[in-house]
Amino acid sequence: GQNIDQPTEMTATEGAIVQINCTYQTSGFNGLFWYQQHAGEAPTFLSYNVLDGLEEKGRFSSFLSRSKGYSYLLLKELQMKDSASYLCAVRATDSWGKFQFGAGTQVVVTP
Amino acid sequence: GAVVSQHPSRVICKSGTSVKIECRSLDFQATTMFWYRQFPKQSLMLMATSNEGSKATYEQGVEKDKFLINHASLTLSTLTVTSAHPEDSSFYICSARVNEDRAEQYFGPGTRLTVT
Repeated sequence: GQNIDQPTEMTATEGAIVQINCTYQTSGFNGLFWYQQHAGEAPTFLSYNVLDGLEEKGRFSSFLSRSKGYSYLLLKELQMKDSASYLCAVRATDSWGKFQFGAGTQVVVTP
Repeated sequence: GAVVSQHPSRVICKSGTSVKIECRSLDFQATTMFWYRQFPKQSLMLMATSNEGSKATYEQGVEKDKFLINHASLTLSTLTVTSAHPEDSSFYICSARVNEDRAEQYFGPGTRLTVT
């Protein structure tokens, strides 16, 4: 079976840093993805990790430890527009590259 | 690049009718597209994998006769919700991979279906 866990909600102030953790237990693993989703909109791609370590893209960084089944998304210098749901997704090893999504973490940025 | 569109963005239909949702890759060809459903405050649930020129592969628990998927070309996949019921009301989102070498999926803007 597949299980992907992430916190339901996190609150942080503008300018701060927030770390969203994601743990997974999946029958196959071929990469972990982070997406941002604003209410009523489609998810937008943020980052992708397939090897252990840290990937940095501007204010967003993502980390992966395959042995621990663990990833985190780090958001720095938070802005009000970063208030959104952040989805962790694991890519399966099937030929189509199907994704299994976590329930999402709602980040609320306060002034 | 990698733009995916969906039409319509919102649709309201009466119970018992059928609704067709289109998903198009605008600037790339997609041999594989995915259809998801998302209920309020929940995550995306994969419904089926749509492959150009062949039958769709449905996830466990998804009725293939109710959710008809056709991937007629490399840029178009359609999802038809047949005999819709109020419990089918949801946010339907499609996605596509750019090619075999790119792992990420690009999502369409979604279709809000309300069945009355």
